[in-house]
Amino acid sequence: NAGVTQTPKFQVLKTGQSMTLQCAQDMNHEYMSWYRQDPGMGLRLIHYSVGAGITDQGEVPNGYNVSRSTTEDFPLRLLSAAPSQTSVYFCASRPDRTTGELFFGEGSRLTVL
Amino acid sequence: QKEVEQDPGPLSVPEGAIVSLNCTYSNSAFQYFMWYRQYSRKGPELLMYTYSSGNKEDGRFTAQVDKSSKYISLFIRDSQPSDSATYLCAIKDTGGFKTIFGAGTRLFVKA
Repeated sequence: NAGVTQTPKFQVLKTGQSMTLQCAQDMNHEYMSWYRQDPGMGLRLIHYSVGAGITDQGEVPNGYNVSRSTTEDFPLRLLSAAPSQTSVYFCASRPDRTTGELFFGEGSRLTVL
Repeated sequence: QKEVEQDPGPLSVPEGAIVSLNCTYSNSAFQYFMWYRQYSRKGPELLMYTYSSGNKEDGRFTAQVDKSSKYISLFIRDSQPSDSATYLCAIKDTGGFKTIFGAGTRLFVKA
């Protein structure tokens, strides 16, 4: 049972480039989300999804795009990378839409030059 | 004002000490209170999960919620070097989708 799998683990981009961070879970969880973690800021919610075809914005959505075509996958797209998007990104899922433990991936470290 | 405030530390204690970690929150609608532990270069993992007010104990860990003062605490007894990690408090309201995290407190337990 792999849980929540994120790829890539590390990535370096140049300003203006685009890329997609992949997230997959094999636990049949309804809810999936993306957070970014910056020093002193904690985890901030970027986007979340309560099921296939349903997504919504979190606290810091600007510059990011998501879609949820299947229960398992929830990719995060950076449209035009900026140095301010240098961060560690975590994907998290939980079985129920509104309650329960969040299960996190190992994180994706992104540097934008 | 942030919805949840947490002192980022770092907090350094000797092995065997009692550790107290705290958060305050602003919205009385929050009913679910959680503590996550995050080791270096890893994802957070749930440590304690409580609903509404009161205490919950699990081995050396005790989570405490005081809704009247909007204050949540995590106590670690007989702290061990393996407890060295970042501890994040998290809150959520009933029926909502978003879990909100504090900044995290970095804890070092010295042998």
